Amino acid sequence: DAKTTQPTSMDCAEGRAANLPCNHSTISGNEYVYWYRQIHSQGPQYIIHGLKNNETNEMASLIITEDRKSSTLILPHATLRDTAVYYCIVTHAFGNEKLTFGTGTRLTIIP
Amino acid sequence: GAVVSQHPSWVICKSGTSVKIECRSLDFQATTMFWYRQFPKQSLMLMATSNEGSKATYEQGVEKDKFLINHASLTLSTLTVTSAHPEDSSFYICSARVTPGTGDTGELFFGEGSRLTVL
Repeated sequence: DAKTTQPTSMDCAEGRAANLPCNHSTISGNEYVYWYRQIHSQGPQYIIHGLKNNETNEMASLIITEDRKSSTLILPHATLRDTAVYYCIVTHAFGNEKLTFGTGTRLTIIP
Repeated sequence: GAVVSQHPSWVICKSGTSVKIECRSLDFQATTMFWYRQFPKQSLMLMATSNEGSKATYEQGVEKDKFLINHASLTLSTLTVTSAHPEDSSFYICSARVTPGTGDTGELFFGEGSRLTVL
């Protein structure tokens, strides 16, 4: 799997949009960008994924640059419950591909 | 979404004893499950890939005789920490992916995690 680089930590004010960047300059053509988050002492939770088009679901939006070398996860109206470690992972979808987690970004939502 | 359940959610045991952790896919079948461990303030580290009906595939540095994995059915994988010692104390997490071709989006579903404390 391609390697990803994320900032170690970020703060965001409650109610504002949280923008979490991820660099994946070695991504290959058939690899997807997945985002997971882990709230303290819980298992990771799937957020969103994409290949090359921007994606949106009820939790977040994913913006992937045209060259696919970076992406941004957007939480449009952050709440205190969004405080978690966010992991950006690049991998092939389906099959038995294992996920390798990097260090992620620790997002803290400030009241 | 699909649900993966782990049991127990926490366990305390004496050094030298063995502990079994169960991972179940509640509403889907999983031919493959993954086992991770996580130390405080660290990321998840993949330990092994559990394959239904065959031997697990262990990551480099993970002792297969120490961490026994059994995947006897399409909905259950177990991790047994044998002769546990304090350094085995950790947060163990399992995950599974819905079998491809069933309309899923390829994401992994994770259990709630099992916190093991070895005294």
